[in-house]
Amino acid sequence: GAGVSQSPSNKVTEKGKDVELRCDPISGHTALYWYRQSLGQGLEFLIYFQGNSAPDKSGLPSDRFSAERTGGSVSTLTIQRTQQEDSAVYLCASSLEGTTHNEQFFGPGTRLTVL
Amino acid sequence: GENVEQHPSTLSVQEGDSAVIKCTYSDSASNYFPWYKQELGKRPQLIIDIRSNVGEKKDQRIAVTLNKTAKHFSLHITETQPEDSAVYFCAASSRASKIIFGSGTRLSIRP
Repeated sequence: GAGVSQSPSNKVTEKGKDVELRCDPISGHTALYWYRQSLGQGLEFLIYFQGNSAPDKSGLPSDRFSAERTGGSVSTLTIQRTQQEDSAVYLCASSLEGTTHNEQFFGPGTRLTVL
Repeated sequence: GENVEQHPSTLSVQEGDSAVIKCTYSDSASNYFPWYKQELGKRPQLIIDIRSNVGEKKDQRIAVTLNKTAKHFSLHITETQPEDSAVYFCAASSRASKIIFGSGTRLSIRP
């Protein structure tokens, strides 16, 4: 079956512009996660959804970052007034449930470059 | 808050030798410990996981051990091969919390 997909695969934007990154989880997966990975670095947790609600937003770096999930499926991560330090690969992952220790399946990521 | 520390950050071993990556966690309620492998330019993928009711789990050339008393867990790769070269991430979670990832270990296999 189809895995987690993300779009766009690459995004180049100018400093100060807003960007939207999209994640399509595996069908039936109720939990969805967003991570940020800078070059050669680890996985920085951003936000976690269980269904449409976000029990944990603790990783969002600033109020320029927001995310939503509608219909318990697709999620959008929005970064407003982008800064150069926002440049990174943004990874999305989904799992059957968030707290019952199911494997997280990762998408291919969106590489964001802020000029 | 919860924290997972991973060592070493880089590891180079001769092909055919063993590699060991170690992690410690802070949340004593953690009871699920997955390991992910991320090849260059690819997405992380689960390679093995262990739950707190066992102390060791093996899958062919990879094994994971868990010491709940010391809050340590380790990944062991035997008879390393070039395709084992990647970044490996450990992680820990409890039923009440999200998965916390370690900072990663870049493993290089020398021919």
